[in-house]
Amino acid sequence: SAVISQKPSRDICQRGTSLTIQCQVDSQVTMMFWYRQQPGQSLTLIATANQGSEATYESGFVIDKFPISRPNLTFSTLTVSNMSPEDSSIYLCSVPQGAANEKLFFGSGTQLSVL
Amino acid sequence: DQQVKQNSPSLSVQEGRISILNCDYTNSMFDYFLWYKKYPAEGPTFLISISSIKDKNEDGRFTVFLNKSAKHLSLHIVPSQPGDSAVYFCAASVYQAGTALIFGKGTTLSVSS
Repeated sequence: SAVISQKPSRDICQRGTSLTIQCQVDSQVTMMFWYRQQPGQSLTLIATANQGSEATYESGFVIDKFPISRPNLTFSTLTVSNMSPEDSSIYLCSVPQGAANEKLFFGSGTQLSVL
Repeated sequence: DQQVKQNSPSLSVQEGRISILNCDYTNSMFDYFLWYKKYPAEGPTFLISISSIKDKNEDGRFTVFLNKSAKHLSLHIVPSQPGDSAVYFCAASVYQAGTALIFGKGTTLSVSS
């Protein structure tokens, strides 16, 4: 399975600031997915990051709030902009795996707390 | 509206007994189902899956059962071990390459020795 390095593992930020989360994969992948897990909630898909094109955002998530970069097939960043306490969550990047890419493999996540 | 539901936030089981975690789904298009386990400060890890053409899949101590007519699946862990204590997420997708998964809210399993 892929090895995913996600940084930072945790951070405490002030409201109104922005944080960029990095996700590095040890192999080339076409798609990368960014998820959010708010306290006590399910993992919710934020967006799909494709190399060479703009990310595709799910309903309720917008590019101005969560800009994503995907400069190559092994790396992506997610920025949480103009943060508020409601953005306090675990943010996870993931890549497809399995014979038909039917499963997802996750990084260790970024625990974000916004004061 | 949640498409994948895990109605039990928590479950406590004694070591050696069976743990049964339940999951319901509403989208009839889902044809592939997965269970993930998550420890604190770690990302979710894949545990076991089942496609809609089957009603049971077994892997060691873990068995997943699928009841398509009831839109219900369950994960059985036998025997339960203290190391199984974690949050278990049910997930579903329409089976195709690179499809994102839809997750439930998770069930926290506590196995006491």
